[in-house]
Amino acid sequence: DAGVIQSPRHEVTEMGQEVTLRCKPISGHNSLFWYRQTMMRGLELLIYFNNNVPIDDSGMPEDRFSAKMPNASFSTLKIQPSEPRDSAVYFCASSLKIYEQYFGPGTRLTVT
Amino acid sequence: AQSVTQLGSHVSVSEGALVLLRCNYSSSVPPYLFWYVQYPNQGLQLLLKYTTGATLVKGINGFEAEFKKSETSFHLTKPSAHMSDAAEYFCAVSEPVGSARQLTFGSGTQLTVLP
Repeated sequence: DAGVIQSPRHEVTEMGQEVTLRCKPISGHNSLFWYRQTMMRGLELLIYFNNNVPIDDSGMPEDRFSAKMPNASFSTLKIQPSEPRDSAVYFCASSLKIYEQYFGPGTRLTVT
Repeated sequence: AQSVTQLGSHVSVSEGALVLLRCNYSSSVPPYLFWYVQYPNQGLQLLLKYTTGATLVKGINGFEAEFKKSETSFHLTKPSAHMSDAAEYFCAVSEPVGSARQLTFGSGTQLTVLP
């Protein structure tokens, strides 16, 4: 199994630009999670999906952030417009048992 | 609401020494408890988990943890540290939220292993 796949691994963009992060979960997993990790705030859950349906998006920081899961094998996290304070590592995780999560390698986002 | 406290953001041990990483939790229902490990520039990896049954659980790489309900603790131990154990370790608690369960992570403990 290839594990959770995230792309790109690194993204550098200018303030105001749109950023799209992508995630392919492990085949057969029915839950998908987006996290953000920073030195200041640690690991934060942004949103999670169960069977492609968003269940809890209370962690999404503001309307500039949106996430979609059009099918069981693909999800995106979009930031529009991006700001320097969005700089972080964004992780996608998937699970079959909702509490036993498998993490991707992360996308390191830098907004200048 | 559930929460996790990891005592000590940085822990240093000598190679071959005992590793002890502390975790205390707060939960209104019987918790599920986890330890994850994060190596540099990688995602988190499940190290071990407690859901029900035996309170001493063993994980990968020689790590184990004991659930102590009376102390609301789930400390992670390894008898003999190896250089490859250097990483950040996260304790997490899961309890039902609506019809699902969510994980709440602690702030992490960076483990350094000295030669």
